[in-house]
Amino acid sequence: EAQVTQNPRYLITVTGKKLTVTCSQNMNHEYMSWYRQDPGLGLRQIYYSMNVEVTDKGDVPEGYKVSRKEKRNFPLILESPSPNQTSLYFCASSYRGRVGEQYFGPGTRLTVT
Amino acid sequence: GENVEQHPSTLSVQEGDSAVIKCTYSDSASNYFPWYKQELGKRPQLIIDIRSNVGEKKDQRIAVTLNKTAKHFSLHITETQPEDSAVYFCAASRGNQGGKLIFGQGTELSVKP
Repeated sequence: EAQVTQNPRYLITVTGKKLTVTCSQNMNHEYMSWYRQDPGLGLRQIYYSMNVEVTDKGDVPEGYKVSRKEKRNFPLILESPSPNQTSLYFCASSYRGRVGEQYFGPGTRLTVT
Repeated sequence: GENVEQHPSTLSVQEGDSAVIKCTYSDSASNYFPWYKQELGKRPQLIIDIRSNVGEKKDQRIAVTLNKTAKHFSLHITETQPEDSAVYFCAASRGNQGGKLIFGQGTELSVKP
C-alpha cells in the first residue's frame, strides 16, 4: 500500500530536549516536505527536499533541521525544542514535477512544556 | 514573501446549497493551484487542482476557477452534503519550477442537514 508514515504520532517533551520525528514514504517520490499546522495559520512549510542530499528552507525553518540521506526518509530534527514549537506536524511527499500533488502522512502532535 | 490569502475562514451552509471559497496569491510565477480537504482529525488530501493555462475545471460537484490577471482562484461546491464538512485549504506553487507550496489559512466548512 502506497503511504507516508510518521513516528511518533504523539509526543510530549520538555524544553531543550532534542527530538527527531521520522518520515518515510514507499512511493519512490523525489520530493518530500515538512509542514506545521496551527489554528488560524493553515499549513506552513518548514523545509523541503527535491531529492537526496538536496534540501531547502520553507517559510518557517527557524529551530528545525532536516536531512535527506535516503530517498524514502526525511527526518525532522528539533535540536532544542521550545514551547512555541508545540504544533501538529505533517510530512508529505510527491513526484518532483508534481509538487502540488502531495501525499500527507498522518501527522505528529507535539507538545513542548 | 509569497503568500496566499483565503476567505472566508468559516462558512456554514444548508445541505443542498452551494459553497464558494476564494483565494488570492501574490507570486506571479505561480502556475499550479491545488485544493486540499482535511476532515476532522485526519490528514489533508488533494481533491482538485488547476493549472495556469486553464480557466476552469470541474469534477462532479466541485469546480475550480482561476483568474490569472487578478491572481485569484476559487473553489465551488454545489449540492453540498454533510460529508463535505471539513477544512479546505487552497495552495499555490510554481509547479516544477520550485519546491515551495504556499497554503492559505484554511476555511472550515460546515454543512447543516
